[in-house]
Amino acid sequence: DAGVIQSPRHEVTEMGQEVTLRCKPISGHDYLFWYRQTMMRGLELLIYFNNNVPIDDSGMPEDRFSAKMPNASFSTLKIQPSEPRDSAVYFCASSLAGVAYNEQFFGPGTRLTVL
Amino acid sequence: GNSVTQMEGPVTLSEEAFLTINCTYTATGYPSLFWYVQYPGEGLQLLLKATKADDKGSNKGFEATYRKETTSFHLEKGSVQVSDSAVYFCALSDREGNNRLAFGKGNQVVVIP
Repeated sequence: DAGVIQSPRHEVTEMGQEVTLRCKPISGHDYLFWYRQTMMRGLELLIYFNNNVPIDDSGMPEDRFSAKMPNASFSTLKIQPSEPRDSAVYFCASSLAGVAYNEQFFGPGTRLTVL
Repeated sequence: GNSVTQMEGPVTLSEEAFLTINCTYTATGYPSLFWYVQYPGEGLQLLLKATKADDKGSNKGFEATYRKETTSFHLEKGSVQVSDSAVYFCALSDREGNNRLAFGKGNQVVVIP
């Protein structure tokens, strides 16, 4: 089985531009998580979905960030407008409900640089 | 809420040395505990887990024991290799049915030949 797929792997953009990050979870998984990783703040949970429904978006830093999951096999994280402080590695992870130990499977990440 | 605390700072050690990374947790109920590893340029991947008190998780020569009395889950390896250089994260589940994990801040481990 393919793991979690993220695209693009690297994104360089200028301040003020819209950025869209994409994620395809493992087939059959019903939870999807978006994380951000920086040196200063470590790994932060931004938002997560269950069965395509957003459950908790309290980690989304501000209104410039939005996430959608239109179907079970696709999710996007959008930043509009982007700012230099959004530069980070963004990870998507998925997991399967009903598994006692709740293992999450991570994608390879998207490294975002906002100039 | 549930939280995880890892020891501060990177860890630098020589090949074949003994590695310990401390992890303590605060939780209600009986969480499952995990160690994830992140190799350079990659996402996190599960290294080992323990789902109940006194369980020992092990993988690739790494071990960690779920200690309820000390609320700890320290990671150990008896003889590290250069290939073990990575960032190690301790995590716990909150077992409220939401599959959510609480991660520690991570420890950078650098193994010198």
